[in-house]
This record gives sequence, structure tokens and C-alpha cells, in this order.
Amino acid sequence: AQSVTQPDIHITVSEGASLELRCNYSYGATPYLFWYVQSPGQGLQLLLKYFSGDTLVQGIKGFEAEFKRSQSSFNLRKPSVHWSDAAEYFCAVVSPSGGSYIPTFGRGTSLIVHP
Amino acid sequence: GAGVSQSPRYKVAKRGQDVALRCDPISGHVSLFWYQQALGQGPEFLTYFQNEAQLDKSGLPSDRFFAERPEGSVSTLKIQRTQQEDSAVYLCASSLVGAGKIYEQYFGPGTRLTVT
Repeated sequence: AQSVTQPDIHITVSEGASLELRCNYSYGATPYLFWYVQSPGQGLQLLLKYFSGDTLVQGIKGFEAEFKRSQSSFNLRKPSVHWSDAAEYFCAVVSPSGGSYIPTFGRGTSLIVHP
Repeated sequence: GAGVSQSPRYKVAKRGQDVALRCDPISGHVSLFWYQQALGQGPEFLTYFQNEAQLDKSGLPSDRFFAERPEGSVSTLKIQRTQQEDSAVYLCASSLVGAGKIYEQYFGPGTRLTVT
């Protein structure tokens, strides 16, 4: 069965520091990959997505992610974190090979930003 | 423009009561998804509509859960005889279709259901 792992439940960084949130997936073929952000009391917002092609993808709010097939990973990065980035981050995967469009989400990583 | 809206934002129900949760998708979005998000977890798929057709309801946890979208716009998720394990945030998302657009889902703020 397909699965998505976000190994870090909480990540704490200082404002201005760099950030990397980890995501690993288990699929038979290359899936479509997504990162979402959820602020308290809000719905999820799509940060970026990877379908194919260049393995480094740029998203909104200064985020980027890199797809590494050999490691089955799609880690999210930001070079300098702002206090407003404090939120819950979800990695999601879709396996389109079977015609599916239903994402499987990881359990999320809570980002805490210290001033 | 207006995003996805959901109502009510918070709902407290006594065990055994029926509840109805409403979702207003973005105008023109053909696809509509419902998810259940338990505390500390990621969203889990419940059901999917394309226009008024319910194409996938494989994620509905029991026959107490029922969803409809009769005119292809507003959708309602109904839970009958609520149980404590139904306590969660229920998220609605909508999207266009075609050229990968179905994967770009726009989420509402959710309805937090607490069953006491």
C-alpha cells in the first residue's frame, strides 16, 4: 500500500534560519508530489507540486522542494524562515498510474519559529 | 475571488445526533472532495464528486456517512447517529479538471465537529 512519512512531528527554527522538512514516500512508480501548508483555523494551501521534469521545484512564499528518486524523498526547503511561516506542513502523494487523483497525506510537521 | 467556504465552522453534537456539514466550492470548479482530519493527523479522503456525480466514496468510514451534491455546486456531508470517533475536522476542497488541474485542490477552512 502507498504511504507517506513525515518523520518530524515538530521542527523549531529561529527566524532567519534555513529550513528543511522531510518527506519520504513508498510507491511502486514515480508519483505526483505536493506540499501543503495549514495555518491555525485555516484550510490547506498548496505550496508547490512535482509531476515530472526538473527535480527542483519552486513554490509560493519562497519555498522549494527537491525530488530524489533514489531516496524516495521530496523534502521542502526555505533559505530564510519568517515568523509568519509558523504552521503545519503536509506532504502529499498521488499515484496517477492507476488513474487515481486521490492524495495520500503525511501526518504533518509542525513548524515553530523563534524570534 | 471567493474561496471555498464551509459552514458551520464549529459543531458540537451529542452522541446519536445527526449533523449536516455544508461546502460551497469555488464557482466553476467541477471537482469536489471531502476529507476527514483527526487531531494531529493529515487529511484522509472520504468522497469525491464530479459535478453532481459521486464518483468515489471509498473513504466513507461507515454507512452513517452520506454526501450529496445535487446540483453540481454546493455539497452536504451528513453524518447520522454521530459517535465520539467522528470528532474531527471535516475539510472540503474543490478543483477544476483537465491538464492536471484536478490535482490543484483549493481547501476550505473546515468544520470542526465535536461529539460529546
